[in-house]
Amino acid sequence: AQSVTQPDIHITVSEGASLELRCNYSYGATPYLFWYVQSPGQGLQLLLKYFSGDTLVQGIKGFEAEFKRSQSSFNLRKPSVHWSDAAEYFCAVGASGYSTLTFGKGTMLLVSP
Amino acid sequence: NAGVTQTPKFQVLKTGQSMTLQCAQDMNHNSMYWYRQDPGMGLRLIYYSASEGTTDKGEVPNGYNVSRLNKREFSLRLESAAPSQTSVYFCASSDRGSYNSPLHFGNGTRLTVT
Repeated sequence: AQSVTQPDIHITVSEGASLELRCNYSYGATPYLFWYVQSPGQGLQLLLKYFSGDTLVQGIKGFEAEFKRSQSSFNLRKPSVHWSDAAEYFCAVGASGYSTLTFGKGTMLLVSP
Repeated sequence: NAGVTQTPKFQVLKTGQSMTLQCAQDMNHNSMYWYRQDPGMGLRLIYYSASEGTTDKGEVPNGYNVSRLNKREFSLRLESAAPSQTSVYFCASSDRGSYNSPLHFGNGTRLTVT
């Protein structure tokens, strides 16, 4: 079965500093990988996705993620964090043969002044 | 741009009461989903409908029923609410099977069962 691990429950970053949120997945073949963001009181919004091709993918709001097959990782990065980026971030994996996505438990990002 | 609309936004029930959560999407998507979100548990799939006329159980279906009323609407019913069903419920839709199609989420229904 596929699984997703987000090792960090909470992360605090200073405004203007860089950000990296970790995501590790478990699946034998090439997965379909997603990052979602959830602002307080809102539903989840897609930030970016990886299906194939270039392993560095760009998303909305200045986010990017890099797929590393050798490490089974799909870490989310942003060069300079803004206060409005404070939210919960979810990594998700999908795979051919499975009907639904599997979500990680999420990482809460706090941005300090 | 309505996207995925969920009603109600908030609901308080007493143990044993029933209710139906409504969800509608206007993106002509084929697949629809119901998730629940609990602190520290992430999102867990309750039921999904891959296409109109079909429904399947997800990870945590016990205590719930669903109806895919038509292509646009997918409702979730709690027949006899229990405190363990206190949660935030999200409806989502996707163009096709979600493993390769992004999910579009509603803003959630916050349910408290006392």
